Amino acid sequence: AQSVTQPDIHITVSEGASLELRCNYSYGATPYLFWYVQSPGQGLQLLLKYFSGDTLVQGIKGFEAEFKRSQSSFNLRKPSVHWSDAAEYFCAVGNQAGTALIFGKGTTLSVSS
Amino acid sequence: GAGVSQTPSNKVTEKGKYVELRCDPISGHTALYWYRQSLGQGPEFLIYFQGTGAADDSGLPNDRFFAVRPEGSVSTLKIQRTERGDSAVYLCASRLPGQDPDTQYFGPGTRLTVL
Repeated sequence: AQSVTQPDIHITVSEGASLELRCNYSYGATPYLFWYVQSPGQGLQLLLKYFSGDTLVQGIKGFEAEFKRSQSSFNLRKPSVHWSDAAEYFCAVGNQAGTALIFGKGTTLSVSS
Repeated sequence: GAGVSQTPSNKVTEKGKYVELRCDPISGHTALYWYRQSLGQGPEFLIYFQGTGAADDSGLPNDRFFAVRPEGSVSTLKIQRTERGDSAVYLCASRLPGQDPDTQYFGPGTRLTVL
């Protein structure tokens, strides 16, 4: 079955420290991979996406993610976290046909000063 | 330009009542999606429209849930005989097929509370 696993429910990072949020997927076809961020009371905002080509993709707000087919992973990284990055982060997988996205359960990021 | 909008932002109703949730997609986006996000969970797919027709309604949990998009733009999600378990945030997204890359853009959601 198709699925997305985000192993970490909650992560706390000091401001200025680096961040890595994990995402593993199970998908039969070539996956289209997304990271979305959701702040309290806000909708889901797309951070970055991977469809093909270079496996290291850059997104908004200084985020990047690396697609590793051998590990079925698409981890999100940021070299220096800001307090405003505190939010819920969702990894999702889709396909070329643009049908339903399958989301992970999310990782809540807290940033300590 | 304007993003996806959803109304109302909050809806409180009583068990057994009927509710309608509205979604206005980004202008020109022909694909529209409904998702449901329960507390502590990621969004779960409900239904996908391409134009006026439902291309995939496999995520609708039961026949109390129904959605329409009569003119291929605005969509309404309808829930009959609401149950407390229907309480969730209902998210709408739209997409412009063929746009490279194919990305779904989400609205702020409607928080439904069934008492």
